[in-house]
Amino acid sequence: EPEVTQTPSHQVTQMGQEVILRCVPISNHLYFYWYRQILGQKVEFLVSFYNNEISEKSEIFDDQFSVERPDGSNFTLKIRSTKLEDSAMYFCASRAGPGIKEDGYTFGSGTRLTVV
Amino acid sequence: ELKVEQNPLFLSMQEGKNYTIYCNYSTTSDRLYWYRQDPGKSLESLFVLLSNGAVKQEGRLMASLDTKARLSTLHITAAVHDLSATYFCAAPPGSARQLTFGSGTQLTVLP
Repeated sequence: EPEVTQTPSHQVTQMGQEVILRCVPISNHLYFYWYRQILGQKVEFLVSFYNNEISEKSEIFDDQFSVERPDGSNFTLKIRSTKLEDSAMYFCASRAGPGIKEDGYTFGSGTRLTVV
Repeated sequence: ELKVEQNPLFLSMQEGKNYTIYCNYSTTSDRLYWYRQDPGKSLESLFVLLSNGAVKQEGRLMASLDTKARLSTLHITAAVHDLSATYFCAAPPGSARQLTFGSGTQLTVLP
């Protein structure tokens, strides 16, 4: 079954450093997403990406965050200057799009980001 | 703004018993998703409910959707230990396609 692949699985970084989280969505999917989950809390939407641009973003996704799809396969989330409160599990997801009957979301295995 | 509320948040049940998890959402949404999450793991898709009155079953889990009441239920029949996990419901607000998640129900099935 096709998978969404995320790397690294765990990243520890110092406060103020930049991090890039990487995702390889399912190859024929059109919509891409980043979500985060602070330990023990619910999953929160960060940003959606379609047709090489951001389609929606939440209040969490401020100017410290950016996304890119640099080469048609990878989908990255960059945090420019990490804060302690950015510590969370970050999930990438992709979705096929309209025309697919169930149009479900496939989530990656996540990157656990720890900011120290 | 779409709000998704689940209850209960914590559920301990004996093996063999039945129980229902409820998911209410505050504004119109045309579909509802259920996910399972094991500790430290990703979100595993359980059900996609696409229309009013939709009912889907997989093993000991059955999900239903009532769009008029803005309510979805996840019914557990004859629980077994392997069902212990956190269950999330999620819905996209209106025509948007990002998901708003409920807080999750942490289910523990006791022997």
